Amino acid sequence: AQSVTQPDIHITVSEGASLELRCNYSYGATPYLFWYVQSPGQGLQLLLKYFSGDTLVQGIKGFEAEFKRSQSSFNLRKPSVHWSDAAEYFCAVVHGGATNKLIFGTGTLLAVQP
Amino acid sequence: DTGVSQNPRHKITKRGQNVTFRCDPISEHNRLYWYRQTLGQGPEFLTYFQNEAQLEKSRLLSDRFSAERPKGSFSTLEIQRTEQGDSAMYLCASSADGSYQPQHFGDGTRLSIL
Repeated sequence: AQSVTQPDIHITVSEGASLELRCNYSYGATPYLFWYVQSPGQGLQLLLKYFSGDTLVQGIKGFEAEFKRSQSSFNLRKPSVHWSDAAEYFCAVVHGGATNKLIFGTGTLLAVQP
Repeated sequence: DTGVSQNPRHKITKRGQNVTFRCDPISEHNRLYWYRQTLGQGPEFLTYFQNEAQLEKSRLLSDRFSAERPKGSFSTLEIQRTEQGDSAMYLCASSADGSYQPQHFGDGTRLSIL
């Protein structure tokens, strides 16, 4: 069965520092992967997606992610974090089949300190 | 694109009462999903509609839960005889037809059971 693991429950970085959030997936075929961000009390906003092709994908708000099949990973990165990036980040994989339902990781809560 | 709209944003009710939530998807989206998110967890799939047809239900969706999407437009999720364990954020998402179209989420309905 498909699954997503986000090993880091909580990460704190300083404003202006670089960021990498880890995501590992389990999927038999080519995965379709997403990163979403959720601010407190809000829904999820799509940051970026990977379907095929170039393994380095660019998203909104200066985020990027790299798909590495050999490591079953899809890590999210940002070169310089802003205070407004503080939020919870979710990695998700599309479950195979007709519904395209998403399987989410447990999320990583990002705190940004001045 | 007005986004996915969910109402109410918050619902507080006593155990044993019935509640109903509404979701208005992006107008041209045929696919509609409901997810449940508990504290510290990622969203979990509940059910999926393709137009007005409910094509998949998770085993998380007990017989106290029912969802409809009349005429393939808005959707409602009803919980009967609410229990403490129903306290969660209920998220609605919609997407266009086609393989692996990204899902766009509403801001959710936060349900609290007293």
